[in-house]
Amino acid sequence: SQQGEEDPQALSIQEGENATMNCSYKTSINNLQWYRQNSGRGLVHLILIRSNEREKHSGRLRVTLDTSKKSSSLLITASRAADTASYFCATDARQAGTALIFGKGTTLSVSS
Amino acid sequence: ETGVTQTPRHLVMGMTNKKSLKCEQHLGHNAMYWYKQSAKKPLELMFVYSLEERVENNSVPSRFSPECPNSSHLFLHLHTLQPEDSALYLCASSQVLAGGYEQFFGPGTRLTVL
Repeated sequence: SQQGEEDPQALSIQEGENATMNCSYKTSINNLQWYRQNSGRGLVHLILIRSNEREKHSGRLRVTLDTSKKSSSLLITASRAADTASYFCATDARQAGTALIFGKGTTLSVSS
Repeated sequence: ETGVTQTPRHLVMGMTNKKSLKCEQHLGHNAMYWYKQSAKKPLELMFVYSLEERVENNSVPSRFSPECPNSSHLFLHLHTLQPEDSALYLCASSQVLAGGYEQFFGPGTRLTVL
């Protein structure tokens, strides 16, 4: 069953602009993760935020988590053409979890 | 991507063929996963192996048969597939820890079933 759902499905911006992607989920989670996928390749882990955290930063990435609204956002600041990719949120709702449940992803296109 | 390797990278097969996908992880992880990624669909979890035991099978048709001979290797044996099985098959590994973990993905095998 689908847990995370990203919004928007597609986003086109210019280099230097900020990109914001949102993720909503349905059940309680232990943590939420964001992954990136370049076209036709494997996913790369970006950042993990635990259910007791509200905000986390990693370089140009900023992730927020609102467990009361069951939502998360990924902000990429000062975007670059190389940020063009699909971005997925994934949730782990299990106690000592193994499996992640991914959303459909947001396709980000950054033009120079 | 060199932490998790997958072979072959591309595979074209007929519906009557038998083939296998191979995944190898060099990260010392204790869990491995197979995912299926079809166009315009969420990533679908197929199988999970933890400490070489299959712990999850998400109602995958029997024409897909996983094998995990040791903690570093994972196979997906394919037979009598259907055209709708054409997709990108991704392998991942992780070190399962309570409280959260990240998964490391291979580059995937692009499968086309004719």
